Amino acid sequence: GQQVMQIPQYQHVQEGEDFTTYCNSSTTLSNIQWYKQRPGGHPVFLIQLVKSGEVKKQKRLTFQFGEAKKNSSLHITATQTTDVGTYFCAGHTGNQFYFGTGTSLTVIP
Amino acid sequence: DVKVTQSSRYLVKRTGEKVFLECVQDMDHENMFWYRQDPGLGLRLIYFSYDVKMKEKGDIPEGYSVSREKKERFSLILESASTNQTSMYLCASSPDRGSYNEQFFGPGTRLTVL
Repeated sequence: GQQVMQIPQYQHVQEGEDFTTYCNSSTTLSNIQWYKQRPGGHPVFLIQLVKSGEVKKQKRLTFQFGEAKKNSSLHITATQTTDVGTYFCAGHTGNQFYFGTGTSLTVIP
Repeated sequence: DVKVTQSSRYLVKRTGEKVFLECVQDMDHENMFWYRQDPGLGLRLIYFSYDVKMKEKGDIPEGYSVSREKKERFSLILESASTNQTSMYLCASSPDRGSYNEQFFGPGTRLTVL
């Protein structure tokens, strides 16, 4: 079954609002990666987190890895129309690698 | 700039046909991956290869096989296509042997099986 779940599945926000997607694993992860897939495009790597409690920032994007290494979040401050797409987390556990189910973000101008 | 190319963007096949999906990467990466992407299910790993002639099963290998005769090329084979294999197929590569670090994806092949 699916090892990595993401919520919400869909999110509509007004441009300028914040957005957060959450990723939860049933098992402890060695690392967590985040990818963005624009409509009609392919996933593009954003970042990798490895350490428990790690927080990384990329401009308006903030990524967190939970203390227990079982969950992660991506927060976008003041969304823009260029943020539209589906955001996937992906985790490595043992010999397995699982992508989350994704959160599709729509930004309304 | 890493480039991962896939042989077709769109493919239509009939039930029972043998289907080959080809993927080529030009950055001398050790690892190559095949995923399928379905709405609501995200990306699911079919097979993974960390070296020429080596392969590892992913989450959903049933009904698929793979071939890696050269480092830069990874083929996905559907021995007898079925309608439930209609999907978007994504190939990816990554540099560090045996690791799942940053993956670079190809544009995808949308396969329809009639």
